[in-house]
Amino acid sequence: GAVVSQHPSRVICKSGTSVKIECRSLDFQATTMFWYRQFPKQSLMLMATSNEGSKATYEQGVEKDKFLINHASLTLSTLTVTSAHPEDSSFYICSARDPASGGDTQYFGPGTRLTVL
Amino acid sequence: AQSVTQLDSQVPVFEEAPVELRCNYSSSVSVYLFWYVQYPNQGLQLLLKYLSGSTLVESINGFEAEFNKSQTSFHLRKPSVHISDTAEYFCAVSDQTGANNLFFGTGTRLTVIP
Repeated sequence: GAVVSQHPSRVICKSGTSVKIECRSLDFQATTMFWYRQFPKQSLMLMATSNEGSKATYEQGVEKDKFLINHASLTLSTLTVTSAHPEDSSFYICSARDPASGGDTQYFGPGTRLTVL
Repeated sequence: AQSVTQLDSQVPVFEEAPVELRCNYSSSVSVYLFWYVQYPNQGLQLLLKYLSGSTLVESINGFEAEFNKSQTSFHLRKPSVHISDTAEYFCAVSDQTGANNLFFGTGTRLTVIP
């Protein structure tokens, strides 16, 4: 149980285009999902907390207009990187909590490798 | 807020030898503690966690960690490592209030040498 998927696993795009990444909880309903960014050989940095049916909460320094988060259902959150630039290239990982099992643990997706040319 | 320190960025160890990956945390409130493992180009997998109760927790693949409140530590141990244990290991802490924002350490790269 508690499986989280992400799509796509890899994406390469041109500078200036937008990219959408999907995060799904496959076997549970997640009222809260999290988006992280990981640079090579570094730890995960929380970008935002996504709450179903309401606006996401962004961490300090994360541009809301650049990283659009939508959590339209209890099993799906999307992260859209708008007008992507090479410095946005990174590994993006989502996670979700399963409230039915106490909600104390975050389960992570496999990540999406974004490369902006 | 909470913070986590993983003092060892890299730990090389020979196959079948024991290993300890250190994790210390700081927090003004009660915490949950986690160890996650990340294999190359993959997301994080939960290895084990401490929520309450017994301070010694175990994973299905032979790892164990002990919560030591007085030393604010949650070190990860395995008595005999395998090649397949080569990965990045992250210690993380969250508060118990329900927000459950995870704070990660910088990770420890475990390399098992044949």
